Amino acid sequence: GQNIDQPTEMTATEGAIVQINCTYQTSGFNGLFWYQQHAGEAPTFLSYNVLDGLEEKGRFSSFLSRSKGYSYLLLKELQMKDSASYLCAAMDSNYQLIWGAGTKLIIKP
Amino acid sequence: GAVVSQHPSRVICKSGTSVKIECRSLDFQATTMFWYRQFPKQSLMLMATSNEGSKATYEQGVEKDKFLINHASLTLSTLTVTSAHPEDSSFYICSAKGQGDTEAFFGQGTRLTVV
Repeated sequence: GQNIDQPTEMTATEGAIVQINCTYQTSGFNGLFWYQQHAGEAPTFLSYNVLDGLEEKGRFSSFLSRSKGYSYLLLKELQMKDSASYLCAAMDSNYQLIWGAGTKLIIKP
Repeated sequence: GAVVSQHPSRVICKSGTSVKIECRSLDFQATTMFWYRQFPKQSLMLMATSNEGSKATYEQGVEKDKFLINHASLTLSTLTVTSAHPEDSSFYICSAKGQGDTEAFFGQGTRLTVV
């Protein structure tokens, strides 16, 4: 079956670095997405990886290893506004997104 | 990025009535639209996928007669929750994708409360 696993909740300190991991199993693979979702709002796109390696975009970076079915989202210089849920989603061979349950990130001063 | 507008953002309706939610792509042609619902502290659950001009494909367990989806144009899809019940109260989100695009863009979501 198709499955996405990511931690339910993580806590980090303002100014620090946090890594949110995601493992996936899908029927075919057409890329891995990370979204940020604040409570009561729709998700907003953060990153898309389809090739192995690290993609850096400002304070956020995303890594993909296709052979391991693994991705992580790295957030640097954490700010209080980064408190949100982070959703990992893998695109299968039918171009459908398979969603993880999301990781709630709590930032403490 | 492309803009998808979803309306209304919040709606409260009485049990037994119907509610229509609109999803519009403002600056691109949305050949495919996705409708999700999300319960508190849970991930997005895909309800249905619609391609312009075709009948929507519903996910298993989603009642197509209760959740009517229309995608009559390349810029508009609607989701109508018919004979709403309190258990239909949820956050409904649409996303839209253009032909050949990988990324789908989300609407702002609609908080539906059935009383």
